[in-house]
Formats: sequence, structure tokens, C-alpha cells
Amino acid sequence: DTGVSQDPRHKITKRGQNVTFRCDPISEHNRLYWYRQTLGQGPEFLTYFQNEAQLEKSRLLSDRFSAERPKGSFSTLEIQRTEQGDSAMYLCASSSYGTGVDGYTFGSGTRLTVV
Amino acid sequence: KNQVEQSPQSLIILEGKNCTLQCNYTVSPFSNLRWYKQDTGRGPVSLTIMTFSENTKSNGRYTATLDADTKQSSLHITASQLSDSASYICVVSARGGADGLTFGKGTHLIIQP
Repeated sequence: DTGVSQDPRHKITKRGQNVTFRCDPISEHNRLYWYRQTLGQGPEFLTYFQNEAQLEKSRLLSDRFSAERPKGSFSTLEIQRTEQGDSAMYLCASSSYGTGVDGYTFGSGTRLTVV
Repeated sequence: KNQVEQSPQSLIILEGKNCTLQCNYTVSPFSNLRWYKQDTGRGPVSLTIMTFSENTKSNGRYTATLDADTKQSSLHITASQLSDSASYICVVSARGGADGLTFGKGTHLIIQP
């Protein structure tokens, strides 16, 4: 296992279009997190899953955002009707919660540019 | 409100010099504190993680300290290298709750030859 993988690395889209990002966590990790990071800021929490259950969503996650983790493995984050303010780095992280080993690990992120 | 404040916001030093980055937090109840290195356009990579009972931890040329009483941490980089140029993010975890992570905005470090 080579860590947390995110795809694509970069995405340029026109305003109003829908985009979908994918995250493949470390295989034995049961928790998966999505963050958004803008330039010069730390990551901001969006949502997280424990196995396939989405346990918490931030107020930052508007109705245009939806995340899924259907089989408790990979996850997708979809943004509908993108706006210029959605331009950011979208980071995924995974961890082993409840097993005594943290191993909180980030992926390399997906850089979204809305033009 | 849980907060993590980092200083300085940015720092420029010459290659080979040492530097110290600061992190103050008001996160309760405290669980652990992590330092991450984030290269431009990449995800954060863990450097150290310290629990309440630990007051220092090293990872090569990186040494983190934690004073849980004053709620302060520092990251000391020894004999800096050009590859140390990055943002360094302090992250504090609270016990309980869902995500439970509070991120600082990071210190942007530039190493000049």
C-alpha cells in the first residue's frame, strides 16, 4: 500500500460545471476525511466517514457538495454547479480509529481551479 | 473555541542555519499535537506527534517540544537544507468528538542558498 491516493491531481473546470474527485485511503484505515485548503490557510474540515457511514459534515459543505463512501473503501467528493469560490486544494486523509494506531495520513490533494 | 496560532507567518533563513517555529493552542480536552510539513502543491506529511505526557520528540533534524501547561509547542529545525522550504502546520487533536483536529495556518519557511 502506497498511502492515500487522490485523483485527479489537478482539475480545471468552467463555472457551473460539476466535478468529482476520488480518494483511495490506506486499505486498513476505517476513517476517511475530506478537507479544503485555500492558499496560505490550514486545511478546513469538510466531512468524514467511518467505514461507509458519513458521521459528520461541516457547515462549509453546502448543498452543492456531496461525498460518498459506498463500500467503506474509496470515497468520492462531488461539487455541483461549481463557483469560482470553490477553487482550492481538496485534501483527503485516512486513519485507523479505535484500533490504538492513529496513522493519520494525507493524500497529495486535488487542486481545483474554477474559471 | 478551539484555536491554534502559529508564528511567525513566514520566515526566510540561509541554508545551514537553525530555526524555531512556534505554536500556541487553546484546544480542550487535549489529546495530541502534530507537526506536518507541506510542500507546495502537495498534501501535509507528518513529522512528529506528541501526547500529553511527552515534552520532546525528534525526527532527524526536526525536534518538536510540547509544554502542555502553557499550551505551547515549538518545532526546531537544525542545519537547514534547501529541501526544508515548505509550510509547517501545527495540528492539535481534542479527545472525543468526530474530526477533533484543529489546524494552524502554518509557517511558510524559505531556505535560501
